[in-house]
Amino acid sequence: SYELTQPPSVSVSPGQAASIPCSGDKLGNKYACWYQQKPGQSPVLVIYQNTKRPSGIPERFSGSNSGNTATLTISGTQAMDEADYYCQAWDSNIVVFGGGTKLTVL
Amino acid sequence: EVQLVESGGGLVQPGGSLRLSCAASGFTFNSYSMNWVRQAPGKGLEWISYISRSSSSIYYADSVKGRFTISRDNAKNSLYLQMDSLRDEDTAVYYCARDNPWSGIVWGQGTLVTVSS
Repeated sequence: SYELTQPPSVSVSPGQAASIPCSGDKLGNKYACWYQQKPGQSPVLVIYQNTKRPSGIPERFSGSNSGNTATLTISGTQAMDEADYYCQAWDSNIVVFGGGTKLTVL
Repeated sequence: EVQLVESGGGLVQPGGSLRLSCAASGFTFNSYSMNWVRQAPGKGLEWISYISRSSSSIYYADSVKGRFTISRDNAKNSLYLQMDSLRDEDTAVYYCARDNPWSGIVWGQGTLVTVSS
């Protein structure tokens, strides 16, 4: 079965850029999405089709996907961005999630 | 506005059964495949089941295969998950999820299932 791998945790200082990688075999050939989840809340879509932002998502969120790695980048990270982030792709119609990355802003 | 509202969660003993429902609104339900995704306490997201628009294709994760049954009623804009032979490790928040490779996943608010004696 297809697998997506994320680092368990990433730390960033306020105002700096945070990058969260997601790796999978030939992931660049698939569409990747990213979700933000804060404690007690449902996940929220922040990036779809590798690079697109839904309405209401701040411009500081951006995405890329090439080769075997998709990356979520948060520029000018704010305290409110502290959350768990999950990458997601499809493999033959099946939804696949990465294990999640806890972003700490300190 | 797209809305997915889950119901049917609760406390059940090991070996018991529950049926989850998801009421969809704000979009043409029969135009989208649907999924159930769960999240155990303190853990990540786990996809558990998929159903195509016409119910012609259905898939399950190995962790629930043979115990859970997904179904939908397009006339009622509803998605279901029949859960039998429940185990302690099935304790989780269960999300109804509309997926589309061109627009990502839309999530419900989730319903908590607790399996405990």
